[in-house]
Amino acid sequence: NAGVTQTPKFQVLKTGQSMTLQCAQDMNHNSMYWYRQDPGMGLRLIYYSASEGTTDKGEVPNGYNVSRLNKREFSLRLESAAPSQTSVYFCASSEASGEAGQYFGPGTRLTVT
Amino acid sequence: QKEVEQNSGPLSVPEGAIASLNCTYSDRGSQSFFWYRQYSGKSPELIMFIYSNGDKEDGRFTAQLNKASQYVSLLIRDSQPSDSATYLCAVNTNAGKSTFGDGTTLTVKP
Repeated sequence: NAGVTQTPKFQVLKTGQSMTLQCAQDMNHNSMYWYRQDPGMGLRLIYYSASEGTTDKGEVPNGYNVSRLNKREFSLRLESAAPSQTSVYFCASSEASGEAGQYFGPGTRLTVT
Repeated sequence: QKEVEQNSGPLSVPEGAIASLNCTYSDRGSQSFFWYRQYSGKSPELIMFIYSNGDKEDGRFTAQLNKASQYVSLLIRDSQPSDSATYLCAVNTNAGKSTFGDGTTLTVKP
């Protein structure tokens, strides 16, 4: 089992460029999440998907869009990157209730210049 | 007031000592509570979860929950240098989403 995988691991974008971060999980989890983590800070929820076909905004959704492609895959898109989006992005998944905790991917380090 | 608060540290303890990490939360409706460990440059890893008041032990780790005081803690016994990391407290509400604290950095000195 690979758990939660993310691509790419690193990315540098210029202001205004777009990109999609990919996430996949093989644990048959219903719920998936996208977080960003800035230096010295905790995780802030961008978007989450409680089940296939549903998505909801988290704490910091502005500038991002998501797609729950199927039960396994949940992508995050930056339509017009800004320097304020420089961060480390983590994807996570959990069982439907979330009561057993979340499992995280390795992260994507994104720099916007 | 932040929803989940932790002392940022750094917390430094000698090898073999007990490390005590604390977390308070503001939402009285919170149902479940988690501790994650995050090594520098790595992703968070779930190490403990607790739902009921009292203590829950797993090896060298003990999670303690007091819902009346809205307080959750993590004790690490016989601390090892390999325990040096940032520890994130997370709290779930009925909606199942987690709110994370900013983390406490622990350094265990040999």
